[in-house]
This record gives sequence, C-alpha cells and structure tokens, in this order.
Amino acid sequence: DGGITQSPKYLFRKEGQNVTLSCEQNLNHDAMYWYRQDPGQGLRLIYYSQIVNDFQKGDIAEGYSVSREKKESFPLTVTSAQKNPTAFYLCASSIELAGDTQYFGPGTRLTVL
Amino acid sequence: AQSVAQPEDQVNVAEGNPLTVKCTYSVSGNPYLFWYVQYPNRGLQFLLKYITGDNLVKGSYGFEAEFNKSQTSFHLKKPSALVSDSALYFCAVRAVRPYGQNFVFGPGTRLSVLP
Repeated sequence: DGGITQSPKYLFRKEGQNVTLSCEQNLNHDAMYWYRQDPGQGLRLIYYSQIVNDFQKGDIAEGYSVSREKKESFPLTVTSAQKNPTAFYLCASSIELAGDTQYFGPGTRLTVL
Repeated sequence: AQSVAQPEDQVNVAEGNPLTVKCTYSVSGNPYLFWYVQYPNRGLQFLLKYITGDNLVKGSYGFEAEFNKSQTSFHLKKPSALVSDSALYFCAVRAVRPYGQNFVFGPGTRLSVLP
C-alpha cells in the first residue's frame, strides 16, 4: 500500500449523516483519486485531482464532495445525498495525471446503518 | 466506447500449474495497460504495466503479461501458480474520458489456486 494512508479502516454511518474519509500520501505525487468498489464490480472513479486546489468529477460524483487544500491530502465527504453509500472506498495517487502508475491506499469500508 | 473486459469472473488452477488471467481492451490511440492485484479488504497493488516496447512485460511476484495489439489483449500469466496468488486481479487502461484522461478498470477476475 506504499505511502498512502486512509482512515478510518471501517466507518459506520447513520442515514442522513455526512461523513469524511481521510486520504494522505507522502509520495510527493501531484495527482490523487477516489474510487468506489462494490462487490462484483470494478472500480468506479468518483473524483480526481491533478494538482492542489483543483479537482474534477469522475463517473459517479453525485452525492460526494472533495477538497485539495494540500498536496498530501485529498479528503472525500460522503453526503446524505448519496443514495447508496455502503461500499469500499479506495484512494490512489500518481506522479502526474493518467498514463502513470497509480498507487493505492488500504481502503475504507463504509457501512450505512 | 473505451472499455476493459475481463471475460472470466473466476479462474481456478492447481498449485504448480501455469495460470492465465485474460484481459481485452478498447481504447483510442496507443494503450497504456496495467495489472493490479487485490487481497481481501486491502487496496490494489501494482503488478506490471505496458507503455511501449517489448510486448512481454515482466512484473512483481513472477507475473508477466503479453501485449497483443492485433487481438487488443493483455493477458496476465505466471508459469507456476502459488496458493498465495489467490486474489482478485484487475486489468486497467488509460483512456480518454469525457472529463479528461483517466483510468478504466475491468470488473476483476477472482483467481483461486488450489493446493
């Protein structure tokens, strides 16, 4: 899992609550990504960021928000607008956007009660 | 549409036998292709990538993959499987998306190596 940390490992949320998942990297990478993984499905891109103070929506951004105030950090907020948030969330980073190897964190498993 | 297919949900192989996990792709331009492995409740680990050059790419843990442009395939192989190779394997390709270049991942293939 390299120099990418995600916390917490497990997270439980009641319906209607917003929760924030942490992602930190010490690899000095410019680009960072958030993916969602559901059983039997591949990874789906939620948001990505090429550089500090810049981020773009991916395939499934609705109900999620992000910020990129520091190069090392790319937190993901799962809002109450996300209809089916229970999933495994993976953060990744790469030296620059696309065309380059992405390195993944260990993931956060979010369960909505 | 740009996509990655992994035609087998599950691959079973006996320990010591060779293994192949299949991947085909559809992208515009020259493909950048990747293989990752995921163990239960863990993040993805990078195995190998093809950018250009030799069609046979060697990676971590004895894995290799063969790029075949005419068949648009990038199959993952290992000459002798280990029980510890049992995991979920993902093929990925860099693709041009509506919002810019990014990765597209296949649905994953679960490999079970039987002792």
